[in-house]
Amino acid sequence: DTGVSQNPRHKITKRGQNVTFRCDPISEHNRLYWYRQTLGQGPEFLTYFQNEAQLEKSRLLSDRFSAERPKGSFSTLEIQRTEQGDSAMYLCASRQGLATGELFFGEGSRLTVL
Amino acid sequence: GESVGLHLPTLSVQEGDNSIINCAYSNSASDYFIWYKQESGKGPQFIIDIRSNMDKRQGQRVTVLLNKTVKHLSLQIAATQPGDSAVYFCAGRYIERKTSYDKVIFGPGTSLSVIP
Repeated sequence: DTGVSQNPRHKITKRGQNVTFRCDPISEHNRLYWYRQTLGQGPEFLTYFQNEAQLEKSRLLSDRFSAERPKGSFSTLEIQRTEQGDSAMYLCASRQGLATGELFFGEGSRLTVL
Repeated sequence: GESVGLHLPTLSVQEGDNSIINCAYSNSASDYFIWYKQESGKGPQFIIDIRSNMDKRQGQRVTVLLNKTVKHLSLQIAATQPGDSAVYFCAGRYIERKTSYDKVIFGPGTSLSVIP
């Protein structure tokens, strides 16, 4: 399978714990995006990497959230001191260049904060 | 501001009929408009896109229409099948001219149910 891979698919944690999600994009894709999606809503943009550089962050990304893409390949999204409001699906997407509008999404990591 | 939204949250159609899903947008700066399909528990799946300088684009059983005058986008699905049941999102892509930073902004979605 050469699509976008996300792990873990599901995470249940207690409030106050830290969680980390990993995204492995399609190998030749230099652009990587994180989105958050809550039930019944469209994905909301969180942050964007071009290669290893984090170029844009949404105001939704509070200081408890940090994302990295250390070697321009896989990316991690960490949430510190989780809150119940962080419960959502965290989606990763990637693409190479801007020739089309298409983003390639992973299946997402669902976070439940108790 | 940047926003992409939908007229109707739910749509039910009979199998074999055509479906039309509508979307309104407020920011004209998109260079592409895109339709995604999302099945329960899965990530969004690209269906079709249209450049902002086009009015119509056809794919396999799908057609996207763009009316820039009224800032309206629609997705037409011909001969709707049970497998088309999903949530459909319209989205707009925005590129910052100086930096080529891009992001895709999604609307809230329409749930399509196909009645066998």
